[in-house]
Amino acid sequence: EPEVTQTPSHQVTQMGQEVILRCVPISNHLYFYWYRQILGQKVEFLVSFYNNEISEKSEIFDDQFSVERPDGSNFTLKIRSTKLEDSAMYFCASISRGSLNEQFFGPGTRLTVL
Amino acid sequence: KQEVTQIPAALSVPEGENLVLNCSFTDSAIYNLQWFRQDPGKGLTSLLLIQSSQREQTSGRLNASLDKSSGRSTLYIAASQPGDSATYLCAVKGGGSQGNLIFGKGTKLSVKP
Repeated sequence: EPEVTQTPSHQVTQMGQEVILRCVPISNHLYFYWYRQILGQKVEFLVSFYNNEISEKSEIFDDQFSVERPDGSNFTLKIRSTKLEDSAMYFCASISRGSLNEQFFGPGTRLTVL
Repeated sequence: KQEVTQIPAALSVPEGENLVLNCSFTDSAIYNLQWFRQDPGKGLTSLLLIQSSQREQTSGRLNASLDKSSGRSTLYIAASQPGDSATYLCAVKGGGSQGNLIFGKGTKLSVKP
């Protein structure tokens, strides 16, 4: 069964460093999302992406964040200068166009900023 | 602004018991509602999706209902097992078929043998 994959599973970085989180959505899916979950908190929407551009973004998704689909399979989230409060689980999700619009989530990347 | 609330925050039951998890949302103009399972430190596994025009969905021992007008959904788990222990998240989608999901904080379920 196709699934969304994410790498790395765990990333530790120093405050101020740039990180890139990677996702491979399900191959025939067209809409992509990033969410994050700070420990003990709700899962929060960051950004959605379609047709090589951002469809929607939340207020969390400020200038420190960017997304890219560099090739036909990968979908990346970049944080330019990490802060302590960026420590969270980051989930990638995707949906197809003609399905029931069920969002399929990846296993997540745990980002720890020291 | 859509808000999703889940009650109770935690629930502990003996094995074999039937149970109900509750989800409420403030804006009834939703496109669909999804229930997820999350194991500690893990990703989100989709359990059931209910379209806004539907009243319920069933999968095995799970049954989810939706009352859009009152802003409520329930997840019924029959004959609970220790393997059902996890956090259950409710999420609603607004803004059309490709809109983002808005999550509740979840109900942490513990099923004791």
